This record gives sequence, structure tokens and C-alpha cells, in this order.
Amino acid sequence: GNSVTQMEGPVTLSEEAFLTINCTYTATGYPSLFWYVQYPGEGLQLLLKATKADDKGSNKGFEATYRKETTSFHLEKGSVQVSDSAVYFCALAYNDMRFGAGTRLTVKP
Amino acid sequence: DTEVTQTPKHLVMGMTNKKSLKCEQHMGHRAMYWYKQKAKKPPELMFVYSYEKLSINESVPSRFSPECPNSSLLNLHLHALQPEDSALYLCASSQVQGGSYEQYFGPGTRLTVT
Repeated sequence: GNSVTQMEGPVTLSEEAFLTINCTYTATGYPSLFWYVQYPGEGLQLLLKATKADDKGSNKGFEATYRKETTSFHLEKGSVQVSDSAVYFCALAYNDMRFGAGTRLTVKP
Repeated sequence: DTEVTQTPKHLVMGMTNKKSLKCEQHMGHRAMYWYKQKAKKPPELMFVYSYEKLSINESVPSRFSPECPNSSLLNLHLHALQPEDSALYLCASSQVQGGSYEQYFGPGTRLTVT
């Protein structure tokens, strides 16, 4: 079946550090891939998406590229801010939505 | 506008109470979802409505009763809940069910069962 595997957290970084959160997927077809972000006490917000191989999704300085050959969709940001502290979920959609376990990011001043 | 609204934001209820959670979207989406999220976990799917008909029930106990009065509204009726039902309840919608469409989530209702 379809599934998503995310890197274990928590991740703690200093402000302006480079961020990578790894995500790999297993799917029988050609899913769309997403990153959602959840700030404390809130719902999930769609951060970015990619619908086909080699697509790059980007938003608010975050980027992720749909890599079919490595079945990956890693989230990156060049310079994190304290306000980026949140839980990040990788997800895929192919007939249904599957979420990764989530990665908690804490950014310290 | 990609907003999904949920009310109330917080709810405390006893095990004998009856309460309802409400969700609304005006994006013209024809699929709506209820999820349950426990702390430090991803959302777990509970119910899916497609074109206002219940499409998926993920073996949810009958003390949870969903309702879709029209294409914009989704309710979750709660009765005789247990303390382990305390969680964040999230509503979401997508253009249609299935396929590869993104889902848009509401802010959630934080439920505490005492």
C-alpha cells in the first residue's frame, strides 16, 4: 500500500541555519506530494505541493522537489527563523491521503 | 479563499453529555473529512463524505455520529464519550474524494472529555 516515511525528530536548529527534513514514499501509482505545517494549537496548513516527477514546490522560502528515481520529497529551507518552529508533515495523495509521522522543528534565537 | 472554519475552538464535556462539532467550507469542495489527532501524532481519518453522502467510516465507535446537511457543512455529533476520546478534531475538504487532490484543514476543535 501507499506510505510515507519521515525522518525522526525532534530537530533543533539555530536561527539562520539550513534545514532539511527527509521524506520518502511508497506508492503504487503516481501520487501528488505535499508538505503540511502545524503550528502549536492549530490545524494543518498546506505549505507546498508537487504533482508530478521533477516538480518543485515552494512557499515562504521552503522548497521540495518530487524525485521519482529516489521516491523522495525532502523539505529544505536555506535560513530558518524562530517563527518556523512547528511540526512538519509529509503527505501523499493517491486515492487517499497518507501522512508521515511528523517532524517537530524548534528554532532557537 | 482556502478557508475551512470549525467551531467551537475548545470543548469540555462530561461522559454523559451530547455535543456537536461544526465545520464549514465555501470552496465548492465536494469531499469533506473528519480526522482525530492525538498529541505528537499525525491525523487519523475517521469519516469521509463525498457529494454529501458518507463514503468512508474507518470503524469509528457509534458514539461519534457524522452528518453532512449540505455541500458546505459537516457536523460531528458526540454522545457518551470516553476520556480517551480527548484529542484535536480536524475537519478538512478537497475538490473531490480520491485522486491526488490536496486537502485543506480547519483549525480544529480541542476536545476534553472529563
